[in-house]
Amino acid sequence: DAGITQSPRHKVTETGTPVTLRCHQTENHRYMYWYRQDPGHGLRLIHYSYGVKDTDKGEVSDGYSVSRSKTEDFLLTLESATSSQTSVYFCAISDVLGDRVNTGELFFGEGSRLTVL
Amino acid sequence: AQTVTQSQPEMSVQEAETVTLSCTYDTSESDYYLFWYKQPPSRQMILVIRQEAYKQQNATENRFSVNFQKAAKSFSLKISDSQLGDAAMYFCAYLEFNYKLTFGKGTLLTVNP
Repeated sequence: DAGITQSPRHKVTETGTPVTLRCHQTENHRYMYWYRQDPGHGLRLIHYSYGVKDTDKGEVSDGYSVSRSKTEDFLLTLESATSSQTSVYFCAISDVLGDRVNTGELFFGEGSRLTVL
Repeated sequence: AQTVTQSQPEMSVQEAETVTLSCTYDTSESDYYLFWYKQPPSRQMILVIRQEAYKQQNATENRFSVNFQKAAKSFSLKISDSQLGDAAMYFCAYLEFNYKLTFGKGTLLTVNP
């Protein structure tokens, strides 16, 4: 299994508080992703990173920010959590090499369940 | 933005029978990847099968095979000899070369003994 660790795995917080989810990888993969999973919506991309300090928005990026100061860590921050951000969050990494997708497969972490009351 | 559509929210199959899950996608690209991921109740995302758009031959992985129709932008998954362990949520996904992976909403597969 790919070495991906998400923390915390479960968190309950109150509306208006800041929350940071961490994704840590030991695979030295270049690409890292944050998705949220909600019933009836599948997985939706929040943000992704294609290198240290290089990030881009996904389809549901409003209310979220990310940072990647080193290859192995990709942080997702909710500056002021809202109840609509209650979800399961997945981190994923990709073994893209060079300028072309190698196998294209994304490896996923085990998910972080966030509840905003 | 690219879209991936799974028109079957739920499907069921008898053990040992064959089932086909549908997926269509929208793209203007000619080179991309398509995937089927499986998510059992454990919530872990597991890659089932992968198809490169430039390859005309349909991908197969043991009991899992795809029917890739590039012109129709269709990518269905066939599961043969269904097993109880195949019960899961199945997601179709599209990867383009800006490295964004877009998922469909999923099909929940039930396998009846």
